[in-house]
Amino acid sequence: AQTVTQSQPEMSVQEAETVTLSCTYDTSENNYYLFWYKQPPSRQMILVIRQEAYKQQNATENRFSVNFQKAAKSFSLKISDSQLGDTAMYFCAFMKHVPQGGSEKLVFGKGTKLTVNP
Amino acid sequence: DTAVSQTPKYLVTQMGNDKSIKCEQNLGHDTMYWYKQDSKKFLKIMFSYNNKELIINETVPNRFSPKSPDKAHLNLHINSLELGDSAVYFCASSQDSAGFGNTIYFGEGSWLTVV
Repeated sequence: AQTVTQSQPEMSVQEAETVTLSCTYDTSENNYYLFWYKQPPSRQMILVIRQEAYKQQNATENRFSVNFQKAAKSFSLKISDSQLGDTAMYFCAFMKHVPQGGSEKLVFGKGTKLTVNP
Repeated sequence: DTAVSQTPKYLVTQMGNDKSIKCEQNLGHDTMYWYKQDSKKFLKIMFSYNNKELIINETVPNRFSPKSPDKAHLNLHINSLELGDSAVYFCASSQDSAGFGNTIYFGEGSWLTVV
């Protein structure tokens, strides 16, 4: 079974600074997907960024980027130029690849509560 | 327009009651899910339906019964509610199998409190 570990229950950062959230996972699969979801106080689950395991290039979405280390099974999220609106719970999630027509679940870490301070 | 919508958003009910949470997606997706987020914010899948067919059924008490009348709707019915059922329930959807590389989109959640 796959597991996802987020070792930082809480973090804080000053506005405009950079912060990195850690995530490690355990799997015997070779083909899979990794995600970071953001959950602000409104509770909505919002996709921040995704990474395909077969891609060596790290995914980037504006101020958000990942450092994907497949051999180390590490998938950290870097937030640059932090904004007050980035304050939220951040969840790292894993999904293994299945053939089309199948279905697979997201396995979540326990989350990191990020607070951006003014 | 909300892509994945759930009703109700908040529900307070007494132990022993039966309640339903409805979910609809207007994304044209084939696969829908129910996830549960407990009081410690841990998220875990409960069910998955693909084209109205049950695909994933995690270890969930049989008091929980999902129903998918069509591929755009996935409702969750809960019988004989218990205090431990208090949680946020998220509906989600994806195009075909999410494990084929498609992203899962979540609704806003339904906050159930059992008293």
